[in-house]
Amino acid sequence: DSGVTQTPKHLITATGQRVTLRCSPRSGDLSVYWYQQSLDQGLQFLIQYYNGEERAKGNILERFSAQQFPDLHSELNLSSLELGDSALYFCASSVTGQNSPLHFGNGTRLTVT
Amino acid sequence: QKEVEQDPGPLSVPEGAIVSLNCTYSNSAFQYFMWYRQYSRKGPELLMYTYSSGNKEDGRFTAQVDKSSKYISLFIRDSQPSDSATYLCALYTNAGKSTFGDGTTLTVKP
Repeated sequence: DSGVTQTPKHLITATGQRVTLRCSPRSGDLSVYWYQQSLDQGLQFLIQYYNGEERAKGNILERFSAQQFPDLHSELNLSSLELGDSALYFCASSVTGQNSPLHFGNGTRLTVT
Repeated sequence: QKEVEQDPGPLSVPEGAIVSLNCTYSNSAFQYFMWYRQYSRKGPELLMYTYSSGNKEDGRFTAQVDKSSKYISLFIRDSQPSDSATYLCALYTNAGKSTFGDGTTLTVKP
């Protein structure tokens, strides 16, 4: 068990809808990362937060947004969902956010129908 | 061209075989190298973490880094069916930018 908790485990929704994915980092970790993994794209970095502030942005669509709250949990909001957004979304956390190893949750599987 | 290229596999070996998993990269800014193992429907878990050229050993696993050739490898000795998983290389710059390989799926047959 990595200590990173993601909810929900599965989510099925329709195109055009909005969903929120939640992540609780490992105790003591200040940095949270979001990744998207689909069959044909591998693990794609979306965004990183460190102690509540955005630190780095990857291939995150404008329809997607995230935030990290004072208690360090994070939420990833996906809106105007399209079929192509169906994927596994992973949250990871690390102590410093600077080259320290990532600890991944078990992901949220999103299916857009 | 991708910054990190990982041997795509899939790889199938008999139990007890030595497995070699490889990644090449083009960006010399990558200074930290990690290998993750991902079982089906689970999140990746860290196996090895190194930042210098040379070999690092941990049990049956050896991580090898050659910065001059921009080539990293993970060797698994005495492979077991429980090693069947997807293996991901991950490379980091000093600024903390991370790039993952696409993964190599390994099956170890009893």
